[in-house]
Amino acid sequence: ETGVTQSPTHLIKTRGQQVTLRCSSQSGHNTVSWYQQALGQGPQFIFQYYREEENGRGNFPPRFSGLQFPNYSSELNVNALELDDSALYLCASSRRGSSNEQFFGPGTRLTVL
Amino acid sequence: GQQVMQIPQYQHVQEGEDFTTYCNSSTTLSNIQWYKQRPGGHPVFLIQLVKSGEVKKQKRLTFQFGEAKKNSSLHITATQTTDVGTYFCSLYNFNKFYFGSGTKLNVKP
Repeated sequence: ETGVTQSPTHLIKTRGQQVTLRCSSQSGHNTVSWYQQALGQGPQFIFQYYREEENGRGNFPPRFSGLQFPNYSSELNVNALELDDSALYLCASSRRGSSNEQFFGPGTRLTVL
Repeated sequence: GQQVMQIPQYQHVQEGEDFTTYCNSSTTLSNIQWYKQRPGGHPVFLIQLVKSGEVKKQKRLTFQFGEAKKNSSLHITATQTTDVGTYFCSLYNFNKFYFGSGTKLNVKP
C-alpha cells in the first residue's frame, strides 16, 4: 500500500449538488495532485497543490477547486455537479524535488444521477 | 496541451508470450513515467526515464526512451497472469501531468 488514503470510497450525488472529496498524503510528501479517471480512460490531471497553493491546473472548469492543508491533507470540491462528472477521482502525493514518482490513493468512485 | 498517444489500446496474449506497449509524442519529452493499474485498482509507479536512449530493466520488464525523446516503450518478456492490467505512460511538463490512454493487457493462462 502507498500510505495515501481517500474518503469516501463511494459517493452518489444528484446533478447540481456539490461534493467534497478528501485525501491524506503519504508522510513526507509535500505535493498532491488530483485526477479524474472515466471508465476505460487514462487519468486526467485536474490540478496540483504545493505548499497550500495551486501549482498547476489541467483543462477543468473553475467549479473544480481544491485545498491543501498544512498537514498535507487535501480536498477536491466540485460544484454544480454534472452527469459527466461521474468517474473515479484519484489523488496522488509526491515529494517536490525528487523524481516525478507519484503515489496514488485508492480513489473515490463518484456517481452523479 | 501536451499529448501522448499509446498503442495498442488492447493486447491479448497467451501466458509466456511477450508484450510491448508504445508511447509516442509529437514533441520532445523531458521525462516519461510508466504506471500499471490492476483491474479495480489505482495506478502504481513503475519507473521514470529522462535520458535519450535510456534503457532500464526490472526483472521481466524493459523500458526504453527513444533517442529523440519522442517515444518510449515497455516490453514484458514471458508474460504471466500477474501482468494483467492497464499500462500507462505519463509525462510531467510545466507543472502538469499528462497520461496516455493506456494499453490494457489480458493474459490467458
